[in-house]
Amino acid sequence: DIQMTQSPSSLSASVGDRVTITCRASQSISSNLNWYQQKPGKAPQLLIYAASSLQSGVPSRFSGSGSGTDFTLTISSLQPEDFATYYCQQSYSTPRTFGQGTKLEIK
Amino acid sequence: EVQLVESGGGLVQPGGSLRLSCAASGFTLSGYWMHWVRQAPGKGLVWVSRINSDGSNTNYADSVRGRFTISRDNANNTLYLQMNSLRAEDTAVYYCARELTGDRRFDYWGQGTLVTVSS
Repeated sequence: DIQMTQSPSSLSASVGDRVTITCRASQSISSNLNWYQQKPGKAPQLLIYAASSLQSGVPSRFSGSGSGTDFTLTISSLQPEDFATYYCQQSYSTPRTFGQGTKLEIK
Repeated sequence: EVQLVESGGGLVQPGGSLRLSCAASGFTLSGYWMHWVRQAPGKGLVWVSRINSDGSNTNYADSVRGRFTISRDNANNTLYLQMNSLRAEDTAVYYCARELTGDRRFDYWGQGTLVTVSS
């Protein structure tokens, strides 16, 4: 199974900050990497797919990059509604493993 | 509008069984692979199981293989997860999710149903 490792596990930031979350796969997954946002008590929502493609309806302050084993999710200017937990997921093979999550909190 | 609505969760004793359902609307279920993902209280997302479009191929996480069975009724646009021999560590919110063909993103998720395994 492919292991996904996110860093950091938690992050404190302020509104307007630029934030980057990283995700590393245990083997090459090409560009088969998705990012999800989850708010408390809610289902995850897709933000980025295929490493860098923005899901319809997602604000352009979210962006993704990377290929192979190393990936990043960047939020260019944090908004109050962005404080949530973020997960990466590989879609290269089954099982479709997730990272452990990064909790983004208000500083 | 695409919707996925889970049901069937609840409190069950260790060793018991439950069947979860995921009712799909706004799209034709037969065109998509479907997944179950779970989340234990305060923990992260864990992939559980996957079924292909016509139900002929399934996969399971090691932790549930041999105890859980995924199935689908495309005629009635419903996905299922039969859970047997339940353990305390199966306690979680269970989500169904649709996988898009091609880039294999999970583009729609249900709201989740809580399964609690406790005596």
